Formats: sequence, structure tokens, C-alpha cells
Amino acid sequence: QVQLVQSGAEVKKPGSSVQVSCKASGGTFKSYAINWVRQAPGQGLEWMGRIMPIVGTTKYAERFQGRVTITADKSTDTAYMELSSLRSEDTAIYFCARDGGGFYSKWGPGTLVTVSS
Amino acid sequence: EIVLTQSPGILSLSPGERATLSCRASRSTSYLAWYQQKPGQAPRILIYGASSRATGIPVRFSGSGSETDFTLTISRLEPEDFAVYFCHHYGSSQTFGQGTKVEI
Repeated sequence: QVQLVQSGAEVKKPGSSVQVSCKASGGTFKSYAINWVRQAPGQGLEWMGRIMPIVGTTKYAERFQGRVTITADKSTDTAYMELSSLRSEDTAIYFCARDGGGFYSKWGPGTLVTVSS
Repeated sequence: EIVLTQSPGILSLSPGERATLSCRASRSTSYLAWYQQKPGQAPRILIYGASSRATGIPVRFSGSGSETDFTLTISRLEPEDFAVYFCHHYGSSQTFGQGTKVEI
């Protein structure tokens, strides 16, 4: 059964960028979309965007347009989320989640990104 | 964008009791899911399509509702059910409710 394995925690300076990876282990992305969702400390869930790896099409939440880029490497079944112009409010756990028919049937464990000077 | 409002924010109950969680949508939708999240863990899918239980989810979890009013019911709370629950609209836009914490 496929598992989603995410890259490790990051500490970044304000104004810099961060890239988080999400690899399908024990399977492939196949035709499922991969979504990125973040959760600030003690807060709720916020959708950032998605990619359909098989064709490379993306869709982003309006509030992250221009600041987030989601890509995928089909050859390695790995998706990437890059967030630029980081600020302290971007400190959060970033999850990747695989579509199961619109809803998210499988989630990665999350990657903590801390933005601090 | 559909806004989801969950209530109550916190639900204090005891094991064996029934839990009823509400999610209200600002516009009609049929694409409504429920997730459970425990501290330090990723969310887990419970219910999709408002009322379909995901694979492996115990029958004590049930979802109901339509259009703008949805409910997640846990018939008899087990100790492992104390967690935060989120509803999720997954149509053309993607939004989450703010969560309901079910605590002892």
C-alpha cells in the first residue's frame, strides 16, 4: 500500500524560500492528484494547491497565487511544494495528501517549516 | 468559495456517550468529507460524500446531511475517539471547517 514520505523539518529566514518534497513509497502516484495543505500551530487546515502528476496541471488557492509552486517528477513519484517570500506567519506543518476522488484518502506525516530571523 | 462553519468548537463528553458534530456550508454542496486528527498526526479520512464511510472506519462513525447542513455522529465514544474533527468541501474549491475538538 502506498505511503507518502515527506522531507524533513526546515528552518528558514524571512524572505527566503522553502521546498518540501512528498514521495510515494510502495507505489506510484498513478492518476491521483496530490494536494498540499498547511496547518499553523494550534490552527486549522488550509489548502494551498494541487497537482495532477500524470499531466502536470496545477491549481492554486488564490491567497497563495504567485508565491507557491507545485511540481511533480513522474519518474520518481515525487511531488514538490515551493513557497517563496517566507514570513513568520508561514510557520506551519505542511502536509501532502493524495486525492481519493476529491477527498484526501492518504496523507503524508507532515513537514514542519519554521520561519524565524 | 464555500465557507464551512463547524459547531461546537469544543465538545466535552465521556466514553460511551454519543457525539454529534455539525458542519454548515455557506452554499449547497454534496462534496463533504470528515477527517479525524490526533495530536502530532496527520488527519485521517472518516467520511466522504457526506455519508460514505472510508475503508476501515468503524461503524460507530456515521455522516449525514445534505445541501448546507451536515452532521458527523459517533454513536458511542471510545477512548481513541477523543481528537479534533474537521469537515472539508472538496468541489471546485477546497475549504476546511475550523474544527471541533472532542475532549473528555
